[in-house]
Amino acid sequence: DVKVTQSSRYLVKRTGEKVFLECVQDMDHENMFWYRQDPGLGLRLIYFSYDVKMKEKGDIPEGYSVSREKKERFSLILESASTNQTSMYLCASSLLGPYGYTFGSGTRLTVV
Amino acid sequence: QQPVQSPQAVILREGEDAVINCSSSKALYSVHWYRQKHGEAPIFLMILLKGGEQKGHDKISASFNEKKQQSSLYLTASQLSYSGTYFCGTEIRAQGAQKLVFGQGTRLTINP
Repeated sequence: DVKVTQSSRYLVKRTGEKVFLECVQDMDHENMFWYRQDPGLGLRLIYFSYDVKMKEKGDIPEGYSVSREKKERFSLILESASTNQTSMYLCASSLLGPYGYTFGSGTRLTVV
Repeated sequence: QQPVQSPQAVILREGEDAVINCSSSKALYSVHWYRQKHGEAPIFLMILLKGGEQKGHDKISASFNEKKQQSSLYLTASQLSYSGTYFCGTEIRAQGAQKLVFGQGTRLTINP
């Protein structure tokens, strides 16, 4: 089975800190995605990548950046964490083409 | 550009049927359906491609009308295990890459 592993299940950070969320997939998927999930808003796309060193902005990229130095790893970076970035963050991966996504278990980030 | 799902919530008794609708204002390449149980990652159910096809497995099926930019998920003779939040994801091509934009979700509760 494809596995998407997110490094932390729960994270508490202070306002202004730089935060790194890591995601690793083990099935050689080209596409990787970062979503945030908030009640009533569904899943909103932050950034995605379809190849190493390639990145594209999603619908809500402000305050975030990403890094993909290796095919299996996609990192989400909060440059200066703010309380409105408190959320559940979900990483996903997929093959190129019409294939379903595999999601990680999520990181619940609280910014205080 | 988020697709709109309806209804927002459904409560059923075991054995009853349900329909969840997903509507987009954008031209679609495909529609995905996912189910998420509380505290877990979303799980891929199925993908529907352009061509108005209908797919299904077990008692869960879906249709895709690309002209109307709509998809519907059908749950027949619902089981307790069907409880969860269902998300549709509509595929949009952007910057040469594919990305999914998710609806806000439909919470399905199945009671014995």
